[in-house]
Amino acid sequence: AQSVTQLDSQVPVFEEAPVELRCNYSSSVSVYLFWYVQYPNQGLQLLLKYLSGSTLVKGINGFEAEFNKSQTSFHLRKPSVHISDTAEYFCAVSDGLNDMRFGAGTRLTVKP
Amino acid sequence: KAGVTQTPRYLIKTRGQQVTLSCSPISGHRSVSWYQQTPGQGLQFLFEYFSETQRNKGNFPGRFSGRQFSNSRSEMNVSTLELGDSALYLCASSSQAGVTGELFFGEGSRLTVL
Repeated sequence: AQSVTQLDSQVPVFEEAPVELRCNYSSSVSVYLFWYVQYPNQGLQLLLKYLSGSTLVKGINGFEAEFNKSQTSFHLRKPSVHISDTAEYFCAVSDGLNDMRFGAGTRLTVKP
Repeated sequence: KAGVTQTPRYLIKTRGQQVTLSCSPISGHRSVSWYQQTPGQGLQFLFEYFSETQRNKGNFPGRFSGRQFSNSRSEMNVSTLELGDSALYLCASSSQAGVTGELFFGEGSRLTVL
């Protein structure tokens, strides 16, 4: 069965600084990888997804992620964050047949 | 296109009671999944329904059950509520069974058990 580990539970960063949220996965089969964002009192919204093809995936709000099969990682990056990026970020993995498994989440706090 | 709608948004129950939560998926979506979100456990998969059939089930006790209707709307029921059932229950819909694409989430139903 697949699983996801988000290496940082909290990431504080100053506005306009770059940020990387780390995600490692484990799976015995090919995987599909996702990053979701959750704002307070809301559901999850898809930021980006990797299904196949190019390992560099671009998403909404200026985020991007790189699939690294040898490192079994799918880290999320943004070159310059804004206050409005403050939220909880979830990495998720699926094998296409079973349920989507989520990491524990990383709380990104952007400070002025 | 309307998003995933969950009702009620907030509810308070006492131990021993039961609760039913409702989820209306995006029009045309036939797959509905349910997740429990708590601060300590994160997002835990409950079950997935596709065309009125349960496809997958997570590791939850039998007090947690669900169903899906012919119009793809889904309900989940929790009987004999315990304090630990306090959580945000999220419903997500998808156009296909399994997960190769995006899950569209509702805003959740926040259950507090006293």
